[in-house]
Amino acid sequence: DAGVIQSPRHEVTEMGQEVTLRCKPISGHNSLFWYRQTMMRGLELLIYFNNNVPIDDSGMPEDRFSAKMPNASFSTLKIQPSEPRDSAVYFCASSFYWTGGNEKLFFGSGTQLSVL
Amino acid sequence: SQKIEQNSEALNIQEGKTATLTCNYTNYSPAYLQWYRQDPGRGPVFLLLIRENEKEKRKERLKVTFDTTLKQSLFHITASQPADSATYLCALAGLHDMRFGAGTRLTVKP
Repeated sequence: DAGVIQSPRHEVTEMGQEVTLRCKPISGHNSLFWYRQTMMRGLELLIYFNNNVPIDDSGMPEDRFSAKMPNASFSTLKIQPSEPRDSAVYFCASSFYWTGGNEKLFFGSGTQLSVL
Repeated sequence: SQKIEQNSEALNIQEGKTATLTCNYTNYSPAYLQWYRQDPGRGPVFLLLIRENEKEKRKERLKVTFDTTLKQSLFHITASQPADSATYLCALAGLHDMRFGAGTRLTVKP
């Protein structure tokens, strides 16, 4: 199994540009989480999908952030327009049938985003 | 508001000793608590899961305790090795989320 696959690995962009981060969860997993990690704030939950449906997006910081999961094998996190304070490592994680913590999360390698 | 606190940012110990990391939480009633390891430039990797009705869980050199009265979990690595050097994160699970502490960076010196 290839694990959770994220792309790109690194993204450098200028303030105001649109950024799209991609995630392919592990086949058969039906729960997907997007996290953001910074030194100051640690690992923050942005949004949780179950069976491709967004269940909890209370962690999405602003309307500039949006996430979609059009099918079970693909999710995107979009930032438009991007700002320097969005610079962070963005992780995607998937789980088999999340029922409130009884399953472990499998994380991707992350996307290092730098907004200049 | 809900808080997850890991007792120290960094912990340095000598090889062969036992490392003990602490995770305290407030305004949570988690049914499950998990511990992850994160190496630089990598995503977190699952280590152990403990349920609210379990006091202790072991896996090889790892031991986790979960005290719902104290709202605390302890994570122990016995006979520590330099390869155990990493950041360790505790995580509390809710029905629709899993939230992480800031982590403790462990360094095991030979």
